[in-house]
Order: sequence, then C-alpha cells, then structure tokens
Amino acid sequence: GENVEQHPSTLSVQEGDSAVIKCTYSDSASNYFPWYKQELGKRPQLIIDIRSNVGEKKDQRIAVTLNKTAKHFSLHITETQPEDSAVYFCAASSWGKFQFGAGTQVVVTP
Amino acid sequence: ETGVTQTPRHLVMGMTNKKSLKCEQHLGHNAMYWYKQSAKKPLELMFVYSLEERVENNSVPSRFSPECPNSSHLFLHLHTLQPEDSALYLCASSQDDRAWGLTGAFFGQGTRLTVV
Repeated sequence: GENVEQHPSTLSVQEGDSAVIKCTYSDSASNYFPWYKQELGKRPQLIIDIRSNVGEKKDQRIAVTLNKTAKHFSLHITETQPEDSAVYFCAASSWGKFQFGAGTQVVVTP
Repeated sequence: ETGVTQTPRHLVMGMTNKKSLKCEQHLGHNAMYWYKQSAKKPLELMFVYSLEERVENNSVPSRFSPECPNSSHLFLHLHTLQPEDSALYLCASSQDDRAWGLTGAFFGQGTRLTVV
C-alpha cells in the first residue's frame, strides 16, 4: 500500500520568512496530492491540492510542487504570518485511498 | 447545516459499552471515510465507502463496525473497546469523479473518544 513520509516534523520560522514542507510517497499509482492545515482543536482543512498531470500550483502565498519521477511533493508558504501556525498534513491518494503524512508542526514567531 | 457534521463531539465510554458515532455530510459527495487521529501519529485511514459500498477496510479490529445507509450518512459502531482506542475519530467526505478518482476530503470536527 501507499506510504507517505513527511519532513520536517516541526518547523519554526520568523514571520515574513518562507516555510517548506516535503513529502515523499511510494505508490506510483497515486494521482492526487492534497495538503491540509489543522489548527489546535479544529478539523483538518484542505488548503491546496495538485493532480499528477500538473507540476506546480499556486494560490496566493501557498504553492505546491510535484515531482512524479522522484515521487515527492512539497508545500511552500511565503511571507509567513502568525496565523499560519498550525499542523500541516500532506496526503497521497490512489483512487480514493488517502494516506497521510505524519504532519509538520509549523510555528511562526513574530 | 453545511459541510460535514459529527456527533457526539465528545464521548467517554467503558470497555463493555456499546456506542455509535454519527457523521452526516451536506456537500452532495458520494464517498465517506472514517479516520483515527492519535497524538503524534499520522491520520489512520479506517474505512472508505464509495457510492455506499465499502471499498477499504484498513485492517481495523472488528470492535469497530461501520455502517453507511446512504451517501449522506456514516456511522461507526463501537463495542468492547480498549483504552488504546482513545483518540479523535474524524469523518470525511469526498466526491468520486471517476476520471481522477476522489477529490480532496472535507473533514468533520471529530469525536474525541475516551475509553476508560
């Protein structure tokens, strides 16, 4: 089955700096890669996603890149703000079977 | 109410009890999931229902029994649980567009389960 690894497990950044989270997956059949943000005590929320026919996608300060050959994808957050502090999860889906990474605790310090 | 709603939000049960978790989605999706979220562990996929048929049972112990009577409702029946089953149980829904498989899952608020 699919195995998703996510790094780093914790990430501390200064406000205004960029944050990068990286994930690798094992199943070459995976074709959909969503990212979720989970604030303390709240549900995971979809923030951006990318399909396997696209190499990069951007939405304001958030971007995701996908390298199918290397089986890795990354989340980039630019100009970080305190409200970006949360746990971020990557996931890989192969026809409906979402497997999640272990999560990255992002802390943005003023 | 819109989105994905779960009840109850909190549940404390003894190991000999039987209880059920309920999930309802108002997004018109045709796939629903149960996930288990434990501290410092990845979200664990438990069950997937697509078009009301179970398509995934991820080696979950039989003390967890899912039920999907229709595409809007999902239940998780619990019996003779163990303390290690204490966790946040998240329901999610998604849309299976067949061309690309399922789209992003939308989560409910979760049920915080404590087994004593």
